[in-house]
Amino acid sequence: ETGVTQSPTHLIKTRGQQVTLRCSSQSGHNTVSWYQQALGQGPQFIFQYYREEENGRGNFPPRFSGLQFPNYSSELNVNALELDDSALYLCASSLGQTLDHNTEAFFGQGTRLTVV
Amino acid sequence: GDSVTQMEGPVTLSEEAFLTINCTYTATGYPSLFWYVQYPGEGLQLLLKATKADDKGSNKGFEATYRKETTSFHLEKGSVQVSDSAVYFCALSENYPFNDYKLSFGAGTTVTVRA
Repeated sequence: ETGVTQSPTHLIKTRGQQVTLRCSSQSGHNTVSWYQQALGQGPQFIFQYYREEENGRGNFPPRFSGLQFPNYSSELNVNALELDDSALYLCASSLGQTLDHNTEAFFGQGTRLTVV
Repeated sequence: GDSVTQMEGPVTLSEEAFLTINCTYTATGYPSLFWYVQYPGEGLQLLLKATKADDKGSNKGFEATYRKETTSFHLEKGSVQVSDSAVYFCALSENYPFNDYKLSFGAGTTVTVRA
């Protein structure tokens, strides 16, 4: 049991709309990372938040944005949705920024976004 | 940049067969290496990890050894069960000296174990 929860589990949006996905990190974790997993592919890093600041970003356009709140929960916002944004969006929480022998990233079950 | 290449699937095995999934990586520093597993309808779970060369990660009968000379981290299990059916992802995180915070994943290998 990871303790990372994401909502909603599924949603369908129309091209051009905006969407907000939510993630509650595991208790005590101060770092949240977001990943996009297209069908049949491995997850791709979107960005990471550490203590409410963006702390690293992958190759995603600015219409992908996020927030981290004082309780370390996080939101992923995507504007001007495109068909290719259809994917499973995964949130991972950890204690600290780097993943070494003492630190593990715990993943939520994801939000399945379909853009039509 | 960092990248991970893993054996393409799908892989179909009979119960009690030997499983190996090849994984090689490209990195400029000294990465930590991971295997994650994704069961149907679930998120990713860490299966095992190794943080320096020659380390062996192990869990639930699975093993993988961090081979710097061959830049590999192959996953093995001696006797698979139906419950091992899942998608397996090899990943790396380049912690030193670059303090890279992300996980870079391979494309995943789907494993199906038949009774």
